[in-house]
Amino acid sequence: DSGVTQTPKHLITATGQRVTLRCSPRSEDLSVYWYQQSLDQGLQFLIHYYNGEERAKGNILERFSAQQFPDLHSELNLSSLELGDSALYFCASSPGFERNTEAFFGQGTRLTVV
Amino acid sequence: AQSVTQLDSHVSVSEGTPVLLRCNYSSSYSPSLFWYVQHPNKGLQLLLKYTSAATLVKGINGFEAEFKKSETSFHLTKPSAHMSDAAEYFCVVRDLSGNTPLVFGKGTRLSVIA
Repeated sequence: DSGVTQTPKHLITATGQRVTLRCSPRSEDLSVYWYQQSLDQGLQFLIHYYNGEERAKGNILERFSAQQFPDLHSELNLSSLELGDSALYFCASSPGFERNTEAFFGQGTRLTVV
Repeated sequence: AQSVTQLDSHVSVSEGTPVLLRCNYSSSYSPSLFWYVQHPNKGLQLLLKYTSAATLVKGINGFEAEFKKSETSFHLTKPSAHMSDAAEYFCVVRDLSGNTPLVFGKGTRLSVIA
């Protein structure tokens, strides 16, 4: 158990809908990362928050947004969903963003858009 | 920009034989490198990390990796494969800037044959 909790584990929704994925990092971690894993794209970095502030943005669509709250949990909002958004979404956390620190991953949320 | 290339998408070995999963990296600075493992329907687990302290790094479950700067490689090895080693393995780089997220290779699927 990594200590990172993601909810829900599975989500099935229709095209055009909006969903929210939730992540609770390890208690001592200030950094939260979101990744998308799909068969054709592999693991793609979406966004990084540190202590409530956005630190880096990767290949995140404009239909997607995220935030990190004062209690350090994070939410990833996906709107106007398309079939191609079906993927496994991972959250990871680390104490900071120093080069030597690894990230601890949650079990992921499997999103299926039908 | 930093990147990693995993040279094999699929490796198949017999139980009890050595495992070699190859990874080359590209980084402007002295990198931090990691290997993660993902078992089916599971999250990502850290196997080991290189942070310049020692070129030969030992990880969990008998895995180790050697950092070779001259070859820009960070290959993962294990002397004797076990059935439970069957999984997807990811080589990951984090750059010196520290604000860079973990950049994943495309993964190598390891199959272990009884």
